[in-house]
Amino acid sequence: DTAVSQTPKYLVTQMGNDKSIKCEQNLGHDTMYWYKQDSKKFLKIMFSYNNKELIINETVPNRFSPKSPDKAHLNLHINSLELGDSAVYFCASSQYRASGGTDTQYFGPGTRLTVL
Amino acid sequence: EDQVTQSPEALRLQEGESSSLNCSYTVSGLRGLFWYRQDPGKGPEFLFTLYSAGEEKEKERLKATLTKKESFLHITAPKPEDSATYLCAGPNQAGTALIFGKGTTLSVSS
Repeated sequence: DTAVSQTPKYLVTQMGNDKSIKCEQNLGHDTMYWYKQDSKKFLKIMFSYNNKELIINETVPNRFSPKSPDKAHLNLHINSLELGDSAVYFCASSQYRASGGTDTQYFGPGTRLTVL
Repeated sequence: EDQVTQSPEALRLQEGESSSLNCSYTVSGLRGLFWYRQDPGKGPEFLFTLYSAGEEKEKERLKATLTKKESFLHITAPKPEDSATYLCAGPNQAGTALIFGKGTTLSVSS
């Protein structure tokens, strides 16, 4: 019973294509995230989303858009893929922390995207 | 700017040789400091959360400690299976996401 799952694990595609990565969590959390890990292994937030608001890291191109059909799912859609989008993308989830800060985040196994 | 810095970048130890990893942060009003372990090709695996200066948490050969300005991950008598990248993270100012350090890659040889 995987807590946070992502599909696909590997995604190889051509420049200019549109692709989606799916994420599901069964932890009952109300907040989900997308992170990007570049070739230097640096993890950086792209989006955080709960049922109240979507927060976008200002450095993320608008070709990237998160879509949440329900609390347990947060998919990542990418338009017009570019070579620089090649990276590993991680989904995570946590419980909203009313006192501020963030509760422990649990990560999925990652999706390795390669753009040719 | 909120920042999390880890040192060293890489650490090679012999089995049984204890050592410590450092994490320093500049996030004002820190509300939690998180340690994760990441194995190649896998997602970060949660290890510890520390909220208050002086707090310590242990798990097998790992112990995490927190001061007002930095955190240490102490590894006692490591084994080869402890080889991984250890990531430190803290919430951003808005509390909407984690800011990660670049990690310490630990290699333990037998």
